[in-house]
Amino acid sequence: AQTVTQSQPEMSVQEAETVTLSCTYDTSESNYYLFWYKQPPSRQMILVIRQEAYKQQNATENRFSVNFQKAAKSFSLKISDSQLGDTAMYFCAFAPNTNAGKSTFGDGTTLTVKP
Amino acid sequence: ETGVTQSPTHLIKTRGQQVTLRCSSQSGHNTVSWYQQALGQGPQFIFQYYREEENGRGNFPPRFSGLQFPNYSSELNVNALELDDSALYLCASSRVGAETQYFGPGTRLLVL
Repeated sequence: AQTVTQSQPEMSVQEAETVTLSCTYDTSESNYYLFWYKQPPSRQMILVIRQEAYKQQNATENRFSVNFQKAAKSFSLKISDSQLGDTAMYFCAFAPNTNAGKSTFGDGTTLTVKP
Repeated sequence: ETGVTQSPTHLIKTRGQQVTLRCSSQSGHNTVSWYQQALGQGPQFIFQYYREEENGRGNFPPRFSGLQFPNYSSELNVNALELDDSALYLCASSRVGAETQYFGPGTRLLVL
């Protein structure tokens, strides 16, 4: 069974600064996906960024980027130029290859962006 | 393009009762997954449906059951409700083999 661990229950950052959220996972599979999801207080879960395990290049989506270390089973999210709208719960998730719908989630990190 | 919708938004039940939650998939999606999210925790995978059959199940007892209909909408049924069933229930849809799933807004269930 896969496990996903987010060791930072809460974090805060000043507006316009950079913050990094940590995630580690455990799996015996070689092909899989990793995700970061955002869940604002309104609760709709939104995909932030996705990384395919077979890709060595780290994924980037505008202000969001990841540091994927496959051997260390580490998958951190960096948010640059933080905005007030980034305030939310962030979840790291693992999914087996070709099936994002069977994801295992961490317990989340609550991020607060301060003005 | 219509996103994933869920009904009802909120629900209050009594221990021992049964509940049915509903989900409509995003257009073009043929797979539906259900997750339970307890307060302060991450979502936990309950099960997935594809072609009206269960296609994988998490660590949930048989009193959690589901259906998928020909139009790819889905129901989650929970029998003999327990207090610990109080949670946000999320539905997510995707195309089979897809790399991305899309979530609905969830149904908040409170069991008293």
